[in-house]
Amino acid sequence: GNSVTQMEGPVTLSEEAFLTINCTYTATGYPSLFWYVQYPGEGLQLLLKATKADDKGSNKGFEATYRKETTSFHLEKGSVQVSDSAVYFCALSARGASGSARQLTFGSGTQLTVLP
Amino acid sequence: NAGVTQTPKFQVLKTGQSMTLQCAQDMNHEYMSWYRQDPGMGLRLIHYSVGAGITDQGEVPNGYNVSRSTTEDFPLRLLSAAPSQTSVYFCASTRAGHTGELFFGEGSRLTVL
Repeated sequence: GNSVTQMEGPVTLSEEAFLTINCTYTATGYPSLFWYVQYPGEGLQLLLKATKADDKGSNKGFEATYRKETTSFHLEKGSVQVSDSAVYFCALSARGASGSARQLTFGSGTQLTVLP
Repeated sequence: NAGVTQTPKFQVLKTGQSMTLQCAQDMNHEYMSWYRQDPGMGLRLIHYSVGAGITDQGEVPNGYNVSRSTTEDFPLRLLSAAPSQTSVYFCASTRAGHTGELFFGEGSRLTVL
């Protein structure tokens, strides 16, 4: 079946440090890949997406590249800020094994804390 | 812009009680879904709907019922609450064919004693 594996957290960084959160996936067919962010006390928000191999999604200084050969979609940011403190979820959208409609499958989430 | 609205935000139930979590969206989205969020497990799909009158099961449907009588509303019913249903529940919606790009409500925290 479809699954997403994220690096375990929590991750604690100093302001202006470089961020990488690893994400790998298993999916049938050709999935679309997403990163969602959840700020404290809020619902999830779409951060960025990529719909085919070698696409790069980007938003708010975050980037992730769809790597089909390594089945990965790692999230990166060159210089994190305190306001980036949140939980980050990697997700994929693909059909189920029985050919059912495309659904979103989430990873377990990675808590990021950025210290001033 | 209301977006996706969930009520209540917090609820405490006793084992065996029933309740309904309400979800409404004002974006005319065809697709709506319910997820539960548990520590270390990400979000898991409970039920979803691709339009009024159409519902289907997700990954963890047992113990939950849904209905979709209008485009705007998608209530989630707990028939007989169990401690294992203690969780944070999120409703989400999107346009048809864009099921990866979900708009989420703020969540409903449910505790079952």
